[in-house]
Amino acid sequence: DGGITQSPKYLFRKEGQNVTLSCEQNLNHDAMYWYRQDPGQGLRLIYYSQIVNDFQKGDIAEGYSVSREKKESFPLTVTSAQKNPTAFYLCASSMRGGYNQPQHFGDGTRLSIL
Amino acid sequence: ENQVEHSPHFLGPQQGDVASMSCTYSVSRFNNLQWYRQNTGMGPKHLLSMYSAGYEKQKGRLNATLLKNGSSLYITAVQPEDSATYFCAASSNTGKLIFGQGTTLQVKP
Repeated sequence: DGGITQSPKYLFRKEGQNVTLSCEQNLNHDAMYWYRQDPGQGLRLIYYSQIVNDFQKGDIAEGYSVSREKKESFPLTVTSAQKNPTAFYLCASSMRGGYNQPQHFGDGTRLSIL
Repeated sequence: ENQVEHSPHFLGPQQGDVASMSCTYSVSRFNNLQWYRQNTGMGPKHLLSMYSAGYEKQKGRLNATLLKNGSSLYITAVQPEDSATYFCAASSNTGKLIFGQGTTLQVKP
């Protein structure tokens, strides 16, 4: 079955440490997205990519970085510059021209600070 | 500033009742409105999309209407398995979806 796989499900970060969250999709979608969700809140866009080797900052990009070297993969690095990284991180994908296409989500990675 | 607001934040109907929720949006270069459902600890799942004011869509026990700058979602004969958080997301031509904070539905058996 096609879908989006996020790993790991739970991740713990020490102070001053960078961590990378994995997102892989086999839906053959061009566009991919990273969101952050805090308790009781909606989703806020961190970064998005409409095509391989190109990505744009979302609304809360500071302290995060991404790469898009392959169509099926869009890893997110939470750097030590992100002072409040504890959150639920969601990856999504959609067909090209994503603004009028539904987004398909993975089941998230929950990041906590040790 | 682009934003989406939900009302109410929480709904607790009895099984078999109708659940009614709505959202309002303020989004530049609006393209369409989408509803998603999220179960605890999982990613949201797309329910339906609507494109112009007056548009109505039915999907099973879900009925949605797109209004000018808002949308309503009704779930008829709610069941315990309908319990989830429902999000409205406004899509702009910039390629972004703007999500509200959601309405949490908890159906009493």
